Amino acid sequence: GAGVSQSPSNKVTEKGKDVELRCDPISGHTALYWYRQSLGQGLEFLIYFQGNSAPDKSGLPSDRFSAERTGGSVSTLTIQRTQQEDSAVYLCASSLGTSGRFTQYFGPGTRLTVL
Amino acid sequence: GQNIDQPTEMTATEGAIVQINCTYQTSGFNGLFWYQQHAGEAPTFLSYNVLDGLEEKGRFSSFLSRSKGYSYLLLKELQMKDSASYLCAVRDSNYQLIWGAGTKLIIKP
Repeated sequence: GAGVSQSPSNKVTEKGKDVELRCDPISGHTALYWYRQSLGQGLEFLIYFQGNSAPDKSGLPSDRFSAERTGGSVSTLTIQRTQQEDSAVYLCASSLGTSGRFTQYFGPGTRLTVL
Repeated sequence: GQNIDQPTEMTATEGAIVQINCTYQTSGFNGLFWYQQHAGEAPTFLSYNVLDGLEEKGRFSSFLSRSKGYSYLLLKELQMKDSASYLCAVRDSNYQLIWGAGTKLIIKP
């Protein structure tokens, strides 16, 4: 595709419900990242996939958060039993690689609101 | 721990020049990035530095001093559309990007 796409663009849910956020990276990009950004804050790293390697989950804030990447392409971030503090914009990015000038290209994000 | 410091907010006048500083302390260094993020939008790539010195790209330039753990983004001939947040990010020894909180730049006519 032309760029990174994410769906849904907006998600409003009730506390305690599970949500799934989807990311379609740029075709051919082997690296995929999930970030969270609260209003007026910087990017908080969540998880990183590189090719067929085991994902780097070091940024996941709790065991309610999980992510998978199927076939080295599409990724889904799942948040179980959502809490109000989970409200944020969830950004996905992809890159051709992780070294040199390989830059991360971001999707438009999913704005999650937990009531 | 790893740390990226940038000013929270800066104000400048249309047509002027502004310099946004970034200092970093990270476990290893494999390049520094600057991104621009307009309100409500995703970050977009501006520049990349891995060697000391100045990289110029049109109205934007980025400087790096690895020995000082310091970078700046220089914006010339400011336009109203340059009003945005500017994010500094450093790639560490694990090839992860460590992000600063961003500098909100306000351009006044």
